[in-house]
Amino acid sequence: DGGITQSPKYLFRKEGQNVTLSCEQNLNHDAMYWYRQDPGQGLRLIYYSQIVNDFQKGDIAEGYSVSREKKESFPLTVTSAQKNPTAFYLCASSISMGGYGYTFGSGTRLTVV
Amino acid sequence: SQQGEEDPQALSIQEGENATMNCSYKTSINNLQWYRQNSGRGLVHLILIRSNEREKHSGRLRVTLDTSKKSSSLLITASRAADTASYFCATDKFQGAQKLVFGQGTRLTINP
Repeated sequence: DGGITQSPKYLFRKEGQNVTLSCEQNLNHDAMYWYRQDPGQGLRLIYYSQIVNDFQKGDIAEGYSVSREKKESFPLTVTSAQKNPTAFYLCASSISMGGYGYTFGSGTRLTVV
Repeated sequence: SQQGEEDPQALSIQEGENATMNCSYKTSINNLQWYRQNSGRGLVHLILIRSNEREKHSGRLRVTLDTSKKSSSLLITASRAADTASYFCATDKFQGAQKLVFGQGTRLTINP
């Protein structure tokens, strides 16, 4: 079955540590996205990629980095520069940007300890 | 930057009743989408309505779009306990990169 896989489901980060969240899709979608969701809030866009080897900053990119070396994969690194990283992170993909629904992964819950 | 705002923030109804949620947005759009999120899970795409459409149906869901008022509504008929979830509207701006911007959602509770 096609879909998006995010891993791990839960992640704990120590202060000053970088962590990488995995996102893999087998839907043959060109566009991929990373959103952050805080409790009781909507989604805020961190980064997006319209096509392999290209990505753009979203509304809250500071303290995060991404890569898009393969069409199927769009990993997100939460760096130590992100001062408040505790949140629920959601990866999504769509056939292309504009005019298509998004398919979401099941999310990664990141907690700073 | 928030584009869509849902109303109400929370809604609690009895099973079998209809649920209506509203979404308002600020700038011209190409399309508006509705998503459902069960607690602690990813979002599920429900329906997409384009700016030149006024109404769309999918099973028990009915979505309307009024571009003159920059608003949309989602109606769930004959609600079931399984409809309990948060519902989000999302819009893409008419110009520029057409990435979705989500509202803060309506939390719907269906009481048995």
